[in-house]
Amino acid sequence: NAGVTQTPKFRVLKTGQSMTLLCAQDMNHEYMYWYRQDPGMGLRLIHYSVGEGTTAKGEVPDGYNVSRLKKQNFLLGLESAAPSQTSVYFCASTIGIISNQPQHFGDGTRLSIL
Amino acid sequence: AQSVTQLDSHVSVSEGTPVLLRCNYSSSYSPSLFWYVQHPNKGLQLLLKYTSAATLVKGINGFEAEFKKSETSFHLTKPSAHMSDAAEYFCVVSDFTNTGFQKLVFGTGTRLLVSP
Repeated sequence: NAGVTQTPKFRVLKTGQSMTLLCAQDMNHEYMYWYRQDPGMGLRLIHYSVGEGTTAKGEVPDGYNVSRLKKQNFLLGLESAAPSQTSVYFCASTIGIISNQPQHFGDGTRLSIL
Repeated sequence: AQSVTQLDSHVSVSEGTPVLLRCNYSSSYSPSLFWYVQHPNKGLQLLLKYTSAATLVKGINGFEAEFKKSETSFHLTKPSAHMSDAAEYFCVVSDFTNTGFQKLVFGTGTRLLVSP
């Protein structure tokens, strides 16, 4: 029962460093999402993907890039980390476009940028 | 665009007393609404969802929510709080991006504190 797995769970970076967050799902879901969670703001959508090889911008895409080379994986990249990107990042997946289908979440990656 | 407003940032109850977490929504069409729970250092877990089949929706762990169109509300309730219910709760509405794909719009969360 793996569901959605995020790697790593914690990371500390220095300003200007780069890194990639990995999300893997084993439910054969088409849609995958990256969110960031900041205190008092709920979750905000960074990027999403509606299938292998496709990605699109969410509400807060600046400073992030994504790739979906395989259906089960969705990668989030920070090219040059900034302190404003200190946050908890969640990956989610869902079966498809039907609006009443819930999203399944990973346990999050806690990222600090110094 | 769809939106949700969670009316309380914190709610404190005693163990064994009822829980009420309030959520109002704004929608231009019949919405799909969800409640998610987040325990410390964990991801979000679905508690229940409303999809127009019934206005009273039962979820896991004894929680339920009632969809009231006239009040544009979707409040979460539980008759008797347990210590393990202490967590953050998110009211969520399903919306679509400008390219027609499903996205979720989250409320800002309500932290439930349960005292012995």
